[in-house]
Amino acid sequence: EVQLVESGGVVVQPGGSLRLSCAASGFTFDDYTMHWVRQAPGKGLEWVSLISWDGGSTYYADSVKGRFTISRDNSKNSLYLQMNSLRTEDTALYYCAKDGVDTAMDNWGQGTLVTVSS
Amino acid sequence: SSELTQDPAVSVALGQTVRITCQGDSLRSYYASWYQQKPGQAPVLVIYGKNNRPSGIPDRFSGSSSGNTASLTITGAQAEDEADYYCNSRDSSGNLWVFGGGTKLTVL
Repeated sequence: EVQLVESGGVVVQPGGSLRLSCAASGFTFDDYTMHWVRQAPGKGLEWVSLISWDGGSTYYADSVKGRFTISRDNSKNSLYLQMNSLRTEDTALYYCAKDGVDTAMDNWGQGTLVTVSS
Repeated sequence: SSELTQDPAVSVALGQTVRITCQGDSLRSYYASWYQQKPGQAPVLVIYGKNNRPSGIPDRFSGSSSGNTASLTITGAQAEDEADYYCNSRDSSGNLWVFGGGTKLTVL
């Protein structure tokens, strides 16, 4: 059974930094592209970033480009999101998701909540 | 980047058929995938590719596409189908992903 477990969400002040983690199990982690997706309270889903199976390719939404960095450690079956220069509008539940057939996100974690507030 | 547009809300009578649509230029080049999200839960993939259902998704869910519009159809909607539905696809560059704004489905 595929499991994705996010962690690292906390309350942080504007301008601060945070690193989210996603622990993966139940599949061959280094075979798959992985995504981060976020959802602000009461709002819709927003794609944030993806990283290829080997970490060689990364892409970011315009809203986070230059501030967030996605990475992975295939030896630890883990995905990360380094978040710098945080803004109040970054407040959201952050999900990691596994890329599957036809680039659909076929498995999701339960999310970790990031609150950016003074 | 491109945008995907969904109707904010749709309703359907119990047992009837409902179509939820998603419009965007990138859909002329890429398939949409569809996600169901119930309150307090993570999204669940329900349709991907041309018209494929993951294991465990009922066959009353189907997908189709024409031009710049992708559709999710629920044939014989059930009370448990009441949820938010999101479409997702690559943008026109092919390197970025984008979600539609979501459609809240109410089953009457």
